[in-house]
Amino acid sequence: ETGVTQSPTHLIKTRGQQVTLRCSSQSGHNTVSWYQQALGQGPQFIFQYYREEENGRGNFPPRFSGLQFPNYSSELNVNALELDDSALYLCASSRLGRGDAEAFFGQGTRLTVV
Amino acid sequence: LAKTTQPISMDSYEGQEVNITCSHNNIATNDYITWYQQFPSQGPRFIIQGYKTKVTNEVASLFIPADRKSSTLSLPRVSLSDTAVYYCLVGEGLNAGNMLTFGGGTRLMVKP
Repeated sequence: ETGVTQSPTHLIKTRGQQVTLRCSSQSGHNTVSWYQQALGQGPQFIFQYYREEENGRGNFPPRFSGLQFPNYSSELNVNALELDDSALYLCASSRLGRGDAEAFFGQGTRLTVV
Repeated sequence: LAKTTQPISMDSYEGQEVNITCSHNNIATNDYITWYQQFPSQGPRFIIQGYKTKVTNEVASLFIPADRKSSTLSLPRVSLSDTAVYYCLVGEGLNAGNMLTFGGGTRLMVKP
């Protein structure tokens, strides 16, 4: 157990719909990163939030957006869902500012777009 | 970020030592080498990190030659539960904001 929890665990949505995924970070962590993992591939970095601000972004379109709350939990929102958005969405929490800022991943949310 | 190349898959048997090699020819001076393990339907889990020579922890050893253009993850006496995907990452280490760049990984299958 990493102390990082994600909800829901599984989700089925229709193309064109919007989805919100949630992540509770490990106690004491101030940074949350989101990753998309398609079947058979490695995780791809979407973006990171630090102190409620976006702190870095990967090669994902603007319809992927996020939030971080004062308690450091986070949401990933995806608008106008496409079939290719079907993937495992992972969040990872860490504590920036420490020399040993290891990232701890949650179990992920499996999103299926039909 | 330096690109990494590792075998797509490997097979082994219980009790054997497994060595997975990763190539990173363009590694930068301040880059570290980090390995993650991922089981099906779970998030990746940090295994080990090193900068040069050899690093050992309770799970694995990491061997890095002097030129740092490759590295080898060594898993001693694997068991069936070590069946997983292993990712080699190169970047600024654990404190780099954790904007991790994963490649395709090596799918290790341990057989009885």
